[in-house]
Amino acid sequence: KQEVTQIPAALSVPEGENLVLNCSFTDSAIYNLQWFRQDPGKGLTSLLLIQSSQREQTSGRLNASLDKSSGRSTLYIAASQPGDSATYLCAVTQGGSEKLVFGKGTKLTVNP
Amino acid sequence: GAGVSQSPSNKVTEKGKDVELRCDPISGHTALYWYRQSLGQGLEFLIYFQGNSAPDKSGLPSDRFSAERTGGSVSTLTIQRTQQEDSAVYLCASSPLIRGKAFFGQGTRLTVV
Repeated sequence: KQEVTQIPAALSVPEGENLVLNCSFTDSAIYNLQWFRQDPGKGLTSLLLIQSSQREQTSGRLNASLDKSSGRSTLYIAASQPGDSATYLCAVTQGGSEKLVFGKGTKLTVNP
Repeated sequence: GAGVSQSPSNKVTEKGKDVELRCDPISGHTALYWYRQSLGQGLEFLIYFQGNSAPDKSGLPSDRFSAERTGGSVSTLTIQRTQQEDSAVYLCASSPLIRGKAFFGQGTRLTVV
C-alpha cells in the first residue's frame, strides 16, 4: 500500500528565505506526482505536476524535483513571501490506478 | 472560466438523516474524483468517475455512501443515515485527462450533530 510522508509537518521562516519542503513515498511505481497548496477553509490548488519520466518542473519561484527510484520529491520555494503561507500537500498517482494518494501536508508560515 | 463548484458549502445535519452533496466539474473534464478530509487526517480517496461510470469505488467507507454522475458532468455524493464520524470536508476534483492535473472545488463541510 502506497504511503506518502511529508516532513516537516510545520515550518516557520522569515520573509525572503529560500526553503525546501520534503515528500517521500514508499512505492516507486508511480505515474506522476503533484504538489498542491491549500489555504485555510479552501480547496486545493495544483502547483506543479511531475510525470514519472521527468526530473523536475518549475513555475515562477517554485521548483519541484522528483527522484522516483529513491521515492522522494522536494518543493523548493525561492524568496518566500507572506502570501506563500499555506499548507502544501504532495500526492502521487500510483501506476495502474487513477486515484491520488496524499501526504498530510506541511503547514508553512512566512513571517513578514 | 468557471472552476469546480460544490454545493452546499456547509451542511449541518442530524444523525440518521440522509444528505446529498453536489459537484459541478469544469466543463469538458472527463475524470471526476471525490475525496474526504477529516480533522487531523490526510485526504482520503472515496470514488473516481470516468464519464458516467465509476471504475474505482474502493474508497467508499460503507454501503451508506453512494455516488453517481450524469451526462458526464454533475456528480452527487449521497450519505444515508449519517453518523458523527461522517463529519468532514468533502472535496470534489475534476481533470481533463485520466491521471492529469487535478482541479479541486472549495469543498462541502459536513457536520453531523
